Amino acid sequence: GQQLNQSPQSMFIQEGEDVSMNCTSSSIFNTWLWYKQEPGEGPVLLIALYKAGELTSNGRLTAQFGITRKDSFLNISASIPSDVGIYFCAGQGKTSYDKVIFGPGTSLSVIP
Amino acid sequence: GAVVSQHPSRVICKSGTSVKIECRSLDFQATTMFWYRQFPKQSLMLMATSNEGSKATYEQGVEKDKFLINHASLTLSTLTVTSAHPEDSSFYICSAPSGNQPQHFGDGTRLSIL
Repeated sequence: GQQLNQSPQSMFIQEGEDVSMNCTSSSIFNTWLWYKQEPGEGPVLLIALYKAGELTSNGRLTAQFGITRKDSFLNISASIPSDVGIYFCAGQGKTSYDKVIFGPGTSLSVIP
Repeated sequence: GAVVSQHPSRVICKSGTSVKIECRSLDFQATTMFWYRQFPKQSLMLMATSNEGSKATYEQGVEKDKFLINHASLTLSTLTVTSAHPEDSSFYICSAPSGNQPQHFGDGTRLSIL
C-alpha cells in the first residue's frame, strides 16, 4: 500500500533556528498536506499543496510539493517555543473526499 | 471555518464494555467522515470511511464487527468499540471534508480500557 516516510524522526533545535523536514512517498499523491499535532489534540492543518512544484507559505512556514509528486518538504523559519509538536505530512488524492494517508511524523523540540 | 467536534474527549471503562464515540460536523454537512486510530508515539492510521446512509468502508485489518460505524445523519457519525479490551486503548480521531477544503479533524477521544 501507500507509504510515507518522514525525516528526521525527531529534532532538537535552539530557539531562533530554522527547521527543515522532508517527506517521501512510495507512490504519487495529487495533494500534499502538512499538519501539526500537540499532545492530546487532533492534527491541525498548516499548509495544503495541490500542484507539483507548488511552493506555499503560511507565516514562518513554507512547504513545497515535489515535482515528482512523491515528496514534499516543510521549512519553519526563526523557530519559537510554541512550534514544539509533532509534524505530520500526509498525502491525498485529487479531492478532499479521498483518504488522507499520514506519514510517521517528525517530533520538534525547541530549546529556549 | 468548518468545525468537527468529538464526544467524549476522554473515556475510561472496564474491559468488556462497549463504548460509543460521536463525531459531529458543527456548521456543515458531511456525507463522508473518516475514523482514525493513533497509538502512543505513532501516526494516525485510517480505520474506516463512514458514508451517510450506507455501510462504512473498512481498511484492511480493521474488524468491522469490532468497530461499528453508523452515519445516520449528515452531521453525525458514531464509532462503537464493542466488547473493548485493553489493546483497544488508543486515541480515536475523526475527520470530515467540507466542499473543496482539506479535511477538518476533531480533537480526538482518548479511550482507556482497564
